[in-house]
Amino acid sequence: DGGITQSPKYLFRKEGQNVTLSCEQNLNHDAMYWYRQDPGQGLRLIYYSQIVNDFQKGDIAEGYSVSREKKESFPLTVTSAQKNPTAFYLCASSNWVRVGETQYFGPGTRLLVL
Amino acid sequence: SQQGEEDPQALSIQEGENATMNCSYKTSINNLQWYRQNSGRGLVHLILIRSNEREKHSGRLRVTLDTSKKSSSLLITASRTADTASYFCATPLPFNAGGTSYGKLTFGQGTILTVHP
Repeated sequence: DGGITQSPKYLFRKEGQNVTLSCEQNLNHDAMYWYRQDPGQGLRLIYYSQIVNDFQKGDIAEGYSVSREKKESFPLTVTSAQKNPTAFYLCASSNWVRVGETQYFGPGTRLLVL
Repeated sequence: SQQGEEDPQALSIQEGENATMNCSYKTSINNLQWYRQNSGRGLVHLILIRSNEREKHSGRLRVTLDTSKKSSSLLITASRTADTASYFCATPLPFNAGGTSYGKLTFGQGTILTVHP
């Protein structure tokens, strides 16, 4: 899992509630990413950030929000607008997003809806 | 649409046998990467092969790349029960952001490998 930590390991969300997933890296990487993984599926990109105070929508950004106030941190908020949030969420980082650098992943957060 | 597609979806072998997984992709790439995911865990990078390379080795892993067929294969030799995991190929999908080309990684659905003792 490298130098990337995610917390919590499990997260439970009630209807209409916003929840925030934490992602921290100590690899001094510029780029960070959030992916969603559903059972038996590959990874789908939610948001990515190339530098501090900048982030871009991925393929499935609706119902999610992010911030990048520090190089080390890239928290993901799952809002009440996300109607099907149950999934495994993975955070990753890389040296630079250009030309598809190797990505280093955290251990993941499993989000469940009560 | 997905850039990389792995085949087979699932593979079951006995310990000591070799395991081969394939990946096909659609657009031109500058590199292709393979990752492993143990159940309920994050992905771990295994190997990266660049578009000007045809074969690459890392321990018991051998990766080939055929850019004319837009395909790659991952061979795990002398498999162990600890190799049981899902294996994903990932390719950069070129896109433009503000006039600059970036390589967002796209992942296939993966091959589930089970190695029996």
